[in-house]
Amino acid sequence: DIQMTQSPSSLSASVGDRVTITCQASHDISNYLNWYQQKPGKAPKLLIYATSNLETGVPSRFSGSGSGTDFAFTISSLQPEDIATYYCQQYDSLYTFGQGTKLEI
Amino acid sequence: EVQLVETGGGLMQTGGSLRLSCAASGFTVSYNHMYWVRQAPGKGLEWVSVLYSGGVTSYADSVKGRFTISRDNSKNTLYLQMNSLRAEDTAVYYCASSNGFAFDHWGQGTLVTVSS
Repeated sequence: DIQMTQSPSSLSASVGDRVTITCQASHDISNYLNWYQQKPGKAPKLLIYATSNLETGVPSRFSGSGSGTDFAFTISSLQPEDIATYYCQQYDSLYTFGQGTKLEI
Repeated sequence: EVQLVETGGGLMQTGGSLRLSCAASGFTVSYNHMYWVRQAPGKGLEWVSVLYSGGVTSYADSVKGRFTISRDNSKNTLYLQMNSLRAEDTAVYYCASSNGFAFDHWGQGTLVTVSS
């Protein structure tokens, strides 16, 4: 099984800050990584697929990078509506989510 | 507009069975990969099962042998048959769809509570 380790588990930042979340895979997953945003009481929402591709309608302040085992998700300028929990997910071998990063202001 | 609506959740006793449904609109279930993902109270997301467009299925080890994923093409609906329920199956269950391997549409979720 492929394990996904996300860090940090929680993060406090200010509006306008640049925020980066990392995700490490236990095995090489090439670029088979997605990122999701989940707000309280809501279903997750796809933000980025295949490591760095922005889903239609997602603001350009969100971005993703990496390959192999090490990946990063960045919000270039944090907005109040970005308060949520973020999850990485690998799909190289079935599917595994990271444990999540709770972003607070 | 793509929409997924889960139903069938509720309070069940340990060892019981339950069938969740996910009614789709705006797209054809059989042409897409369909998934179940769950989230225990206050916890993260856990992938549960997949039904690929070609008909192949896979399950997380935690539910293998107890849960069965299926679809009814005539009703454009996805199902999850859950048997031998355990307390640790308590979660909100989401269905999701993909035409690749990113879960790009999600339902609102249905809560399953398993109690002795």
